[in-house]
Amino acid sequence: DVKVTQSSRYLVKRTGEKVFLECVQDMDHENMFWYRQDPGLGLRLIYFSYDVKMKEKGDIPEGYSVSREKKERFSLILESASTNQTSMYLCASTPRRGKLFFGSGTQLSVL
Amino acid sequence: AQTVTQSQPEMSVQEAETVTLSCTYDTSESDYYLFWYKQPPSRQMILVIRQEAYKQQNATENRFSVNFQKAAKSFSLKISDSQLGDAAMYFCASDVNSGGGADGLTFGKGTHLIIQP
Repeated sequence: DVKVTQSSRYLVKRTGEKVFLECVQDMDHENMFWYRQDPGLGLRLIYFSYDVKMKEKGDIPEGYSVSREKKERFSLILESASTNQTSMYLCASTPRRGKLFFGSGTQLSVL
Repeated sequence: AQTVTQSQPEMSVQEAETVTLSCTYDTSESDYYLFWYKQPPSRQMILVIRQEAYKQQNATENRFSVNFQKAAKSFSLKISDSQLGDAAMYFCASDVNSGGGADGLTFGKGTHLIIQP
């Protein structure tokens, strides 16, 4: 089975901190994604990546950046965390068109 | 503009009954995929069913089936013989705006399904 692992299930940070959310997939997938999930808003795409060192903005990239130095790892970075970035963050990967494989999510609270 | 719409924020059904969750989408494309994902309290997103737009036959997976109406841009999910384990958030999703899916999926806002014992 494909495994997408997010390093933290719960994270509490303070306003202004730099925050790293890590995601690793074990199936050599080309495409990786970061989504943000908020009640009543569904999942919204923050950033995605086709390949190593490549990144593309999604629908809500403001306040975020990403890094993909290795194919299996895709990191989401909050340069200066703010309270409106309190949310559930979901990482996903896919080898091709079709099914997304998701991690189990990181619930981030920014105080 | 939102391209995937789930108009039912919450649905409730008696155990063993049948329930239908609605989804509409907007596209001018002819080649796309549609999905239903389930998210139980564990938060793990699970693919329930997938439909290729070029296929006329509605997809089925055991107790889960879809009613795909391409002209109406409608993609509803029917759950038969509802079980307590079906309680979850259900998300409709599409790759209609994502260049073949490599750009990710667009999700609806979700429907919270409650199963009454």
